[in-house]
Amino acid sequence: DIQMTQSPSSLSASVGDRVTITCRTSQSIMIYLNWYQQKPGKAPKLLIYAASNLQSGVPSRFSGSGSGTDFTLTITGLQPEDFATYYCQESYSATITFGQGTRLEIK
Amino acid sequence: EVQLVESGGGLVQPGGSLRLSCAASEFTFRNYWMSWVRQAPGKGLEWVANIKQDGSEKGYADSVKGRFTISRDNAKSSLYLQMNSLRAEDTAVYYCAQWRGAQSEFESWGQGTLVTVSS
Repeated sequence: DIQMTQSPSSLSASVGDRVTITCRTSQSIMIYLNWYQQKPGKAPKLLIYAASNLQSGVPSRFSGSGSGTDFTLTITGLQPEDFATYYCQESYSATITFGQGTRLEIK
Repeated sequence: EVQLVESGGGLVQPGGSLRLSCAASEFTFRNYWMSWVRQAPGKGLEWVANIKQDGSEKGYADSVKGRFTISRDNAKSSLYLQMNSLRAEDTAVYYCAQWRGAQSEFESWGQGTLVTVSS
């Protein structure tokens, strides 16, 4: 199985900040990496698919990059509604794996 | 807008069984792979199972293989998860999710249904 290492596990930031979350995989997954946002008590929401494609309706302050084994999610200009938990997910293998999550908190 | 509504969760004793359902609407159900993803209380997301459009292919996480069975009824636009030999570690919110298949993403999710395995 592909191992996913997401970092940091938690992050404190202020409104207006730029933050970066990283996801590293144990083997190359080409571009098959997706990012989700989850708020407490809610279902996850797709933000970025295939490493860098913004899902319809998602604000442009969210962006993704990377390929192979190293990927990043960047939020430029944090808004109050962005404080949530973020997960990466690989879709390269038959046994789908999620990262451990990054909790983004208000400083 | 895609609608996915899970039901069937509840409290069950260890070793017991439960069947979850997911009613889909506002999209052509038979055109999509579908999946179940779960989340234990305070923990991260774990993929459980997926099923091809016509039900001919299924995949399972090692943690549930041999105990859980995914199925679908395209005429009813419904997805199911039969869970047998339940364990305390199966306690989680179970989400159904719309999936485009290999090398793709979980495009839409239901609101989830809570399964609690406890004596």
